[in-house]
Amino acid sequence: DSGVTQTPKHLITATGQRVTLRCSPRSGDLSVYWYQQSLDQGLQFLIQYYNGEERAKGNILERFSAQQFPDLHSELNLSSLELGDSALYFCASSTQWGEAFFGQGTRLTVV
Amino acid sequence: TQLLEQSPQFLSIQEGENLTVYCNSSSVFSSLQWYRQEPGEGPVLLVTVVTGGEVKKLKRLTFQFGDARKDSSLHITAAQPGDTGLYLCAGAGNDYKLSFGAGTTVTVRA
Repeated sequence: DSGVTQTPKHLITATGQRVTLRCSPRSGDLSVYWYQQSLDQGLQFLIQYYNGEERAKGNILERFSAQQFPDLHSELNLSSLELGDSALYFCASSTQWGEAFFGQGTRLTVV
Repeated sequence: TQLLEQSPQFLSIQEGENLTVYCNSSSVFSSLQWYRQEPGEGPVLLVTVVTGGEVKKLKRLTFQFGDARKDSSLHITAAQPGDTGLYLCAGAGNDYKLSFGAGTTVTVRA
């Protein structure tokens, strides 16, 4: 158990819909990362938050947005979903040394 | 373009053989980590290397950080089927942004 909690574990939704993925970081970790992993693909960095502030942005589509709340949990919002958005979405929290601890992921299937 | 290049992309070996996975970059990192990921699961941290030239051993796994802190290698001795998985390297910059390589899929046949 990494200490990072992601919900839901599975999500099936239709094209054009909007979903919210939730992440609770490890106790004490201020930094949260979101990654997308498509079938047979590597981890694509989406966005990073540190103590409530956006710190770095990767290949995140304009249809996607995220935020980190005062209690440090984070949410990733995906809207106007397309078939190609089907993937595993991982959240990770990190120590001050950058070591990442990943959640179990949310498997999103867009039909 | 990946900031970190991993090679090879795929590796299939027989149980008992040795293997080495490489992670290279043109960037200098404050630390570099290796992770192992099994299908449908999140990556799990194996090791962090911080000092140039550092070598860390974890049972049959040996990790090395290049002197210039731009590259790293993972060597597995006497591989076992349980070593099968996707091995990912990740570099942390001064801003703590983690950049991952594309990964090396290792299959160890019994």
